[in-house]
Amino acid sequence: GAGVSQTPSNKVTEKGKYVELRCDPISGHTALYWYRQSLGQGPEFLIYFQGTGAADDSGLPNDRFFAVRPEGSVSTLKIQRTERGDSAMYLCASSLNGGGPYEQYFGPGTRLTVT
Amino acid sequence: GESVGLHLPTLSVQEGDNSIINCAYSNSASDYFIWYKQESGKGPQFIIDIRSNMDKRQGQRVTVLLNKTVKHLSLQIAATQPGDSAVYFCAENIRGGTSYGKLTFGQGTILTVHP
Repeated sequence: GAGVSQTPSNKVTEKGKYVELRCDPISGHTALYWYRQSLGQGPEFLIYFQGTGAADDSGLPNDRFFAVRPEGSVSTLKIQRTERGDSAMYLCASSLNGGGPYEQYFGPGTRLTVT
Repeated sequence: GESVGLHLPTLSVQEGDNSIINCAYSNSASDYFIWYKQESGKGPQFIIDIRSNMDKRQGQRVTVLLNKTVKHLSLQIAATQPGDSAVYFCAENIRGGTSYGKLTFGQGTILTVHP
């Protein structure tokens, strides 16, 4: 597709479980970003990739959160030992590259619910 | 869809009126700004951007004004339509080193357009 895609669109998991969220950026975009959005708030930055490497992971809340982008395209956000407070919309965005500035295009998000 | 914004500023207008949405940004070093529109259950959608060396930029039915002196950004929507109803976020970006990374989002404003 032409836009950023994210799977799954919804994920319900039990407290303590492990989850993976996937992001497919726009073809040719070398920069990829993960954000988290709680109800009633703006998106909050988690991590930014330029190519395969994490250029800035300062937004990851703790070591239960990890993200990879092994081939410089698809990225996976991984959350271990999920907690109810992790429930949120997880958004992925991509831009042409990080040397811009270029607009960041967002995907539809994955709604994560931890029960 | 999800209900957002019990604590977000709201703006209600009649169809055909002009709308002005305001945003105060936080970092005087920010040099790139974007307005996003977010509909319920969807990811943010790019509307218009502006760089800090400009004070005004126009798009189709939208105008962004930037006042760096008071760190204020506004989005003007001409002839507002019911389809413009959404939450609107401003976001700021700052060049760190050799690249632009994370966006920092403002609080968001709920725009409701009445037919």
